This record gives sequence, C-alpha cells and structure tokens, in this order.
Amino acid sequence: ELKVEQNPLFLSMQEGKNYTIYCNYSTTSDRLYWYRQDPGKSLESLFVLLSNGAVKQEGRLMASLDTKARLSTLHITAAVHDLSATYFCAVDPLPPQGGSEKLVFGKGMKLTVNP
Amino acid sequence: NAGVTQTPKFRILKIGQSMTLQCTQDMNHNYMYWYRQDPGMGLKLIYYSVGAGITDKGEVPNGYNVSRSTTEDFPLRLELAAPSQTSVYFCASTTGGNYGYTFGSGTRLTVV
Repeated sequence: ELKVEQNPLFLSMQEGKNYTIYCNYSTTSDRLYWYRQDPGKSLESLFVLLSNGAVKQEGRLMASLDTKARLSTLHITAAVHDLSATYFCAVDPLPPQGGSEKLVFGKGMKLTVNP
Repeated sequence: NAGVTQTPKFRILKIGQSMTLQCTQDMNHNYMYWYRQDPGMGLKLIYYSVGAGITDKGEVPNGYNVSRSTTEDFPLRLELAAPSQTSVYFCASTTGGNYGYTFGSGTRLTVV
C-alpha cells in the first residue's frame, strides 16, 4: 500500500524557534510537493521538488528532497505567528503506482506558532 | 485569470438526494481532479481526467460519478447522498509536467 506519512501531525512552537518536519513516502517518486492550507481555505502551493537533492527556500521555510531515502523535510527558521497553518506534502508516484499527475497526499501537519 | 472555480461553496443535502458539484478552469489544463478532505485524513482522490472525454477512478470513487465533455468543466455528481459523503470537496487542475496543482476554493457538503 502506498503511504505518505508526515511527522509530526501536530506542532505547537514558540515564535523565534526553529523546527524540522518530515514527510516519508513508500513508493518510487522523483517529485514531491508542499502545500499550505489556512483554516477554512483552499490549498496553496509552497514548493515543487523535482529531483534528488533539490532544495527550495521561501522566506522562513526551506524544503529538501532525498529520493533515495524517500524523505522530504520542511525546515522552519525563526517561526512567526503567520506561519500557523496546516502543511501537506504530496507525492507523484512513478508508474505503475502513479501516472497522470495523480498526487498522493499526507495527512497534513497542523502548525501553531505562539507569540 | 479566475483559475479553478468551484460552486457551490456550501451545501446541505438530505440522505438520498442528489447533486452536482461544479468545477471550471480557465487555464486550458488537460488534467483535472476531484479530492475529498476529511478531518485528519489528508486528501483522497475520487476521480480524475487527463483530457476531454477521458475519466478514471481514483482511490475512493464509490457513490460518485464524473464527466468531462469540455477541457474547462469537470463536474462531480453525487447520487443518493449518504452521511459518509459529508466532507470538503476540492477540484484541482494542472498542465502536467513539473507543475503542481491549482486548487479551487472547495465545497463544504453536509449530508443529514
């Protein structure tokens, strides 16, 4: 069974602190996506990681991909309250499990950043 | 560009009723998808389409149907609504290749 597992699923942290969250997946893939969802809203694209060793940064967030370990990380630097949201990783499996750009999503990690 | 437009935003259905969730995109994307989101469960793929006239089942297709008569529109039909179909439904599209999805704003459906 194809699995995309995020760890942790809930995180409460103080402003100014750093933290890394993890996304493990059980299938062969060379594309991984990170999305952000605010409460009651839709999903917004954060990062597209397209190859082994890919690293992308936007503001206080940095994402990386290790396709050999089937692992992506999302690192938060000096957290601020505005980062509070739910973060999803999604994997685009290679055929035969995937194809047609179908993404498999993790359960999401709810982040709360406290002042 | 409007992107991906979903209607309605909210709906309450009685058990056994039917309805169609509308999804339209103006980006000329070939690939379109319907996902449902349940609390703590992430998103599950219901149906998808790789182009006009072509649709296929996803992970959780039971109780739903789709059609894709044009590139722009990908409606999701619920027949005989059940409480288990209470969820938030997202439509998404992509041009394929190395781009992620563009999501619609979602439809919150409650079946009572």
